[in-house]
Amino acid sequence: NAGVTQTPKFRVLKTGQSMTLLCAQDMNHEYMYWYRQDPGMGLRLIHYSVGEGTTAKGEVPDGYNVSRLKKQNFLLGLESAAPSQTSVYFCASSYSGETEAFFGQGTRLTVV
Amino acid sequence: SQQGEEDPQALSIQEGENATMNCSYKTSINNLQWYRQNSGRGLVHLILIRSNEREKHSGRLRVTLDTSKKSSSLLITASRAADTASYFCATDEGTPLVFGKGTRLSVIA
Repeated sequence: NAGVTQTPKFRVLKTGQSMTLLCAQDMNHEYMYWYRQDPGMGLRLIHYSVGEGTTAKGEVPDGYNVSRLKKQNFLLGLESAAPSQTSVYFCASSYSGETEAFFGQGTRLTVV
Repeated sequence: SQQGEEDPQALSIQEGENATMNCSYKTSINNLQWYRQNSGRGLVHLILIRSNEREKHSGRLRVTLDTSKKSSSLLITASRAADTASYFCATDEGTPLVFGKGTRLSVIA
């Protein structure tokens, strides 16, 4: 039982490049979330999904897109990376909006 | 904007002392959760308290919820060096699982 797995763990991008972060969960959870964490800012919700085929915007969605084609996977895309998107990205999943969430180990992204 | 707000931002105590952290929120909630984050790692769930509960315990953790004041507190008793971490509250105000900026707890041996 792997829980929540994020791929990759580290990535360096050049400004303007695109990339996709993958989050996979094996707990049959309905809800999945993408956060970014910057020093002194805590975790900020980028996008979330309440089930397969659904997505919704969080607090800081600009510059990111997401897809939830399969229940177990939640993809976060950066179409044209900017230095302001340098951050640590965390994925999480939960059975519902009122149950505990399980987090991945994080992806450290640097945009130069 | 982030909806749960923790207080204080940082807390430093001696091993064996108790640590208290507070969380305030703005609107009505169904539940409030507390999480811990060790440096550089993902968050780990500690405890969930529902809006119809006033107090909950889990080991050395005690959480209270006052819906009239829109606030919650997390008490860690008999702290240990291993409790050094950041602690976050999360609510379901509007959007599910929105976190505050956290409290950085340092427990000095």
